[in-house]
Amino acid sequence: KAGVTQTPRYLIKTRGQQVTLSCSPISGHRSVSWYQQTPGQGLQFLFEYFSETQRNKGNFPGRFSGRQFSNSRSEMNVSTLELGDSALYLCASSFVGQPRYGYTFGSGTRLTVV
Amino acid sequence: AQTVTQSQPEMSVQEAETVTLSCTYDTSENNYYLFWYKQPPSRQMILVIRQEAYKQQNATENRFSVNFQKAAKSFSLKISDSQLGDTAMYFCAFMKPYSGNTGKLIFGQGTTLQVKP
Repeated sequence: KAGVTQTPRYLIKTRGQQVTLSCSPISGHRSVSWYQQTPGQGLQFLFEYFSETQRNKGNFPGRFSGRQFSNSRSEMNVSTLELGDSALYLCASSFVGQPRYGYTFGSGTRLTVV
Repeated sequence: AQTVTQSQPEMSVQEAETVTLSCTYDTSENNYYLFWYKQPPSRQMILVIRQEAYKQQNATENRFSVNFQKAAKSFSLKISDSQLGDTAMYFCAFMKPYSGNTGKLIFGQGTTLQVKP
C-alpha cells in the first residue's frame, strides 16, 4: 500500500513568488492535513480538509491556502512568498472518522525562499 | 488552548539500554488522544505509539511503552533495548477531536535522541 506522497521534495523560490505543493494521501484516506515545520516555531498546524471542504484552520495569514480534490488529493498554495516561509511542509492523512488512530505523514516538501 | 511541553531538547543512550522521554501537556478537555511520533533524518514522521485518554491502561508497542498519568497531564515514552535505528527526533503530540471526526495535532518542540554504539 503506497504511503502519503508529497511532491516536489525540494523547492527553491524567490521572495514575492507563489508556490503550490501537492499531497496524495493513502488510498482510502479522505482527511488530509498540512503542517509547517521550522527550527524556531516547530510543527504548526496549517489546515485540514475532508470531502473537499476545509474543516479546521491554523493561525496562518491568508497567503496560505489549500484545496482538496474529489480523489482526496490536496494542494497547498502560498502566495507572495516571504523569507520566513522557508520550512518543511508536511502533509498527513487519516481514515474518515478515525483520527484517534493517528495520522500518516509524508516525507515533506522542503521549501527555501531566497 | 492546549500546549505540549518536552523539556529535554537532547538525550543520548547506549545501545541496548533503556531511555525515557518526558512530555507534559495542558488541557481542560477530558476526551483526547496522545501520540509519540519519530522523525529520522529521512524527515518522514512515523507514528510510534498512541494513547486514548479514557483508557487507564498504558499503551505498549514492542520495545516502546508509555507512562500515561492523566491527573498529572504527563505522557512519557520509554524505549527499551535501544537500537541504533531509534536515533531520531521524537515528538509528543496532543489531539482533541473536532466534530466531524477531524482533528489537529499539537506538537511539542521535540527531543533529539541519539543512540550510541
